[in-house]
Amino acid sequence: EAGVAQSPRYKIIEKRQSVAFWCNPISGHATLYWYQQILGQGPKLLIQFQNNGVVDDSQLPKDRFSAERLKGVDSTLKIQPAKLEDSAVYLCASSFLHSGEAFFGQGTRLTVV
Amino acid sequence: KQEVTQIPAALSVPEGENLVLNCSFTDSAIYNLQWFRQDPGKGLTSLLLIQSSQREQTSGRLNASLDKSSGRSTLYIAASQPGDSATYLCAVGGSQGNLIFGKGTKLSVKP
Repeated sequence: EAGVAQSPRYKIIEKRQSVAFWCNPISGHATLYWYQQILGQGPKLLIQFQNNGVVDDSQLPKDRFSAERLKGVDSTLKIQPAKLEDSAVYLCASSFLHSGEAFFGQGTRLTVV
Repeated sequence: KQEVTQIPAALSVPEGENLVLNCSFTDSAIYNLQWFRQDPGKGLTSLLLIQSSQREQTSGRLNASLDKSSGRSTLYIAASQPGDSATYLCAVGGSQGNLIFGKGTKLSVKP
């Protein structure tokens, strides 16, 4: 069974630029999550989708971050404009049920300079 | 607001030793608890999932226990090996499925 796929693996951008991350969850998984992991911290939930609907985006900085999950499969997370404090690893995860075991991708390491 | 704490933050042990990693949470109204392993520069690998109705789960040399009433979970690793060196993360799941993570315990197993 293929795992959660994310791209790119690494990205370096200047502050105020925009960036987008892509995630393809495990086939059949209805729930998709985006987490932000700052160095030395545990991951923090940014947004949770159930199929193509948003379940929780309470911690998403909506003035600069946006996410979509068209057709309830792939998802993209965008940052525009980026700030230095956005430097982190962005992790995508999926689960079959919203209460089930979560499986994570390899993450995208973003560096904002 | 749920908070998850992991103690110790770092642990170094000689190969072959049995060890216990601790996780505590402030709100006992959890749906499940999951232990993950994270290698440097990598994503998270799921180790064990314990549903709120369960007391423990085992996988190979790993055993995780859950005591909801006291807000505690432990991950027991038997006969540790250098390949077990990684950061171990504990996460509690709410009814919606969102996971709240601790900061992790960085484990180093010396040959």
